[in-house]
Amino acid sequence: SQQGEEDPQALSIQEGENATMNCSYKTSINNLQWYRQNSGRGLVHLILIRSNEREKHSGRLRVTLDTSKKSSSLLITASRAADTASYFCATDEGSQGGSEKLVFGKGMKLTVNP
Amino acid sequence: NAGVTQTPKFQVLKTGQSMTLQCAQDMNHEYMSWYRQDPGMGLRLIHYSVGAGITDQGEVPNGYNVSRSTTEDFPLRLLSAAPSQTSVYFCASSRTGGRNTIYFGEGSWLTVV
Repeated sequence: SQQGEEDPQALSIQEGENATMNCSYKTSINNLQWYRQNSGRGLVHLILIRSNEREKHSGRLRVTLDTSKKSSSLLITASRAADTASYFCATDEGSQGGSEKLVFGKGMKLTVNP
Repeated sequence: NAGVTQTPKFQVLKTGQSMTLQCAQDMNHEYMSWYRQDPGMGLRLIHYSVGAGITDQGEVPNGYNVSRSTTEDFPLRLLSAAPSQTSVYFCASSRTGGRNTIYFGEGSWLTVV
């Protein structure tokens, strides 16, 4: 069964605004990752945050992880039209299933209007 | 550096036919996996492998077979295609599964009629 669930499922913003996406998961994890998928393409890795980390930055991306609430958020600052894509969170199965499997949420579609 | 290469890109099959989706990676990754992506369902894990000679089932393995005879290749076989297998299939690889970045191929669009 799927682990992560992104929220909202769709978001439409203007260029220059910030976009925040949330991910909730059910079981304990070792890592949580965020991926982006442009229409008709494969997924591209954005950032990985480990369970002992609370926040991570990469360029205009900021990811937070709250293991007590089993949730993560992805913030894209100063959005651009090129950020238009679907975004997925993915988790391993934590202590139960090991870290081999990466389980994805259903994804969230972000539209950035010029 | 090609990364993860999938073939074919597009395929139309008739119900009952069999076929193999090919996947190759040139990054010497131990971990490889196959996902299918359906509208509104996200990506679902079909099969995965943590090294040559080792495979295991994911969330939706029925109707699919895999083998891992080399580190580089991880083909996905559809034994007897059904319309429910119409989907986009993604192959992925990483050094050690969920502990590291996973690299995806560009996808294979399969239609079963």
